[in-house]
Amino acid sequence: GAVVSQHPSRVICKSGTSVKIECRSLDFQATTMFWYRQFPKQSLMLMATSNEGSKATYEQGVEKDKFLINHASLTLSTLTVTSAHPEDSSFYICSASPQGDGKAFFGQGTRLTVV
Amino acid sequence: GDSVTQMEGPVTLSEEAFLTINCTYTATGYPSLFWYVQYPGEGLQLLLKATKADDKGSNKGFEATYRKETTSFHLEKGSVQVSDSAVYFCALISGGYNKLIFGAGTRLAVHP
Repeated sequence: GAVVSQHPSRVICKSGTSVKIECRSLDFQATTMFWYRQFPKQSLMLMATSNEGSKATYEQGVEKDKFLINHASLTLSTLTVTSAHPEDSSFYICSASPQGDGKAFFGQGTRLTVV
Repeated sequence: GDSVTQMEGPVTLSEEAFLTINCTYTATGYPSLFWYVQYPGEGLQLLLKATKADDKGSNKGFEATYRKETTSFHLEKGSVQVSDSAVYFCALISGGYNKLIFGAGTRLAVHP
């Protein structure tokens, strides 16, 4: 199946710093990628839709200036958590679908810990 | 807006027991329905899907039937194994966009 790679898998950062997470589709082009956040023992919450060549679409309640998304090419989307705080600690997952049929492939996820 | 409701977990079963995890949905139009599984320490994987009413998705002994009349997509397995212990997510996509809407997830623990 299609492969989506996410990097890094784990990151620890200090409060106030910014962290960038990359999501790459390795063997297909993705005009749209999705970023999710998963809280412990809870479901995935869709944060935003990343659109290649245009602005991301954010879900209600997600701060655009806090979670910067850049989809600069058909195979790469990045999520930058700016001025991170401990409450931003979470598991972030990206997904992409090569054929538009709903068979989404997920990255391995990034465990962010802000200390 | 569109939403998915799953039965709360955790669900604890003995090996070879019958499994049902309930899932109902609310959506405009005719959504595609999915079950995803997350094994401990791993990412999400598609388990099965159904794209229209009365379709049955199946994989690894799991089945789910798209019931439009009851807006449900319940996951079933006749005989669970310890290796089935994971978190199961029901999800849907509606419209022409690949935006998955997930249920809260149900943790399944299977004991020998």
